Amino acid sequence: AQKVTQAQTEISVVEKEDVTLDCVYETRDTTYYLFWYKQPPSGELVFLIRRNSFDEQNEISGRYSWNFQKSTSSFNFTITASQVVDSAVYFCALSEENAGGTSYGKLTFGQGTILTVHP
Amino acid sequence: NAGVTQTPKFRVLKTGQSMTLLCAQDMNHEYMYWYRQDPGMGLRLIHYSVGEGTTAKGEVPDGYNVSRLKKQNFLLGLESAAPSQTSVYFCASARGGEQYFGPGTRLTVT
Repeated sequence: AQKVTQAQTEISVVEKEDVTLDCVYETRDTTYYLFWYKQPPSGELVFLIRRNSFDEQNEISGRYSWNFQKSTSSFNFTITASQVVDSAVYFCALSEENAGGTSYGKLTFGQGTILTVHP
Repeated sequence: NAGVTQTPKFRVLKTGQSMTLLCAQDMNHEYMYWYRQDPGMGLRLIHYSVGEGTTAKGEVPDGYNVSRLKKQNFLLGLESAAPSQTSVYFCASARGGEQYFGPGTRLTVT
């Protein structure tokens, strides 16, 4: 069975600090997809990134960066120079690949990390 | 293009009552999903559909039924609501991997 663990329940930082959210996953599949979603106080789920298991290249998008390490089954997310608007719950998720080579999208979510950025 | 919409946004039910949550998407996506979100547990998959007329069980299907009679709609039914079904319900649709979530329905069962 698939499992996603976000060991950090809550993180509190002061604006402009860098913060890293940890995600560790378990799966028996050789091909899978990893995701990060943001849930701001308004409640909607905002897609941030999707990576497949064959692509271990780290990615940077503005102040966001992701470090995917298959050897340690981790997919960590770093926010550089955090801002108050980054305050949200962040979810890491995992999905399997179906026989057709794509994803059915059945996401297994971690418990979420509550990030609070203080001014 | 409205994306994924959910009806209703809020609902209070008494134990034993029934209701149907409606999810609609206008992106012509094949796959649709129902999740529930409980405090401290993240989202869990209830049921999903890989195409019109098909449904399948997810991680926590007990107490729920679903139907996908039209490609754009995915209905979630509670036949006899229980307090344990108090939760926020999210619908999502997908094609090609990225899931688009609806705004959620907050359901309270008293």
